[in-house]
Amino acid sequence: QSALTQPASVSGSPGQSITISCTGTSSDVGGYNYVSWYQQHPGKAPKLMIYEVSNRPSGVPDRFSGSKSGNTASLTISGLQAEDEADYYCSSYTSSSTYVFGTGTKVTVL
Amino acid sequence: QVQLQESGPGLVKPSQTLSLTCTVSGGSISSGDYYWSWIRQPPGKGLEWIGYIYYSGSTYYNPSLKSRVTISVDTSKNQFSLKLSSVTAADTAVYYCARVVGPYDAFDIWGQGTMVTVSS
Repeated sequence: QSALTQPASVSGSPGQSITISCTGTSSDVGGYNYVSWYQQHPGKAPKLMIYEVSNRPSGVPDRFSGSKSGNTASLTISGLQAEDEADYYCSSYTSSSTYVFGTGTKVTVL
Repeated sequence: QVQLQESGPGLVKPSQTLSLTCTVSGGSISSGDYYWSWIRQPPGKGLEWIGYIYYSGSTYYNPSLKSRVTISVDTSKNQFSLKLSSVTAADTAVYYCARVVGPYDAFDIWGQGTMVTVSS
């Protein structure tokens, strides 16, 4: 199974909005609404930010939102803040009853 | 609240078997609502799903690792374990255990991770 494709890096100024894409196939992202997003700060474990494409776990700021169109899912961070600087990974359930992660995106707050 | 903690050797010799255990506290591993997974991350690289197990013992593995991976569960100890055989330097990574919501959904709780280096 191939990793989902994400841009290597995305940057924005404080207060701006950024969007990270996650492209897969009809066997993963496009076939299921089980896409999730994770935030990872250096040296830390990943943290769940979005599940089932667009749902936020309790405690995750509403600045984080998710969506999906066809084989591409997206994570949008609105009102970018300094603490949002981190690596972000998408993940999807697949038709093989397995999981696949994205290649990861480094978000830089300018 | 539920917490996960990985444990095991930090150094494994090439061709040997890597063995790690994840201890679940604050909740029962036998809860039917969750699956229990292993995920790894080589230094400076992305996340790779290794596999997961249900409390009943049902397992699902990453096809690229399936021939070398065994995940097992010990409900009496509230633990699940990973064995990866015939390791090489490419298996050097931080290994995370995580809880999966149902058989298809997100990894909602993660352990802190444990670094395993494969070297002679």
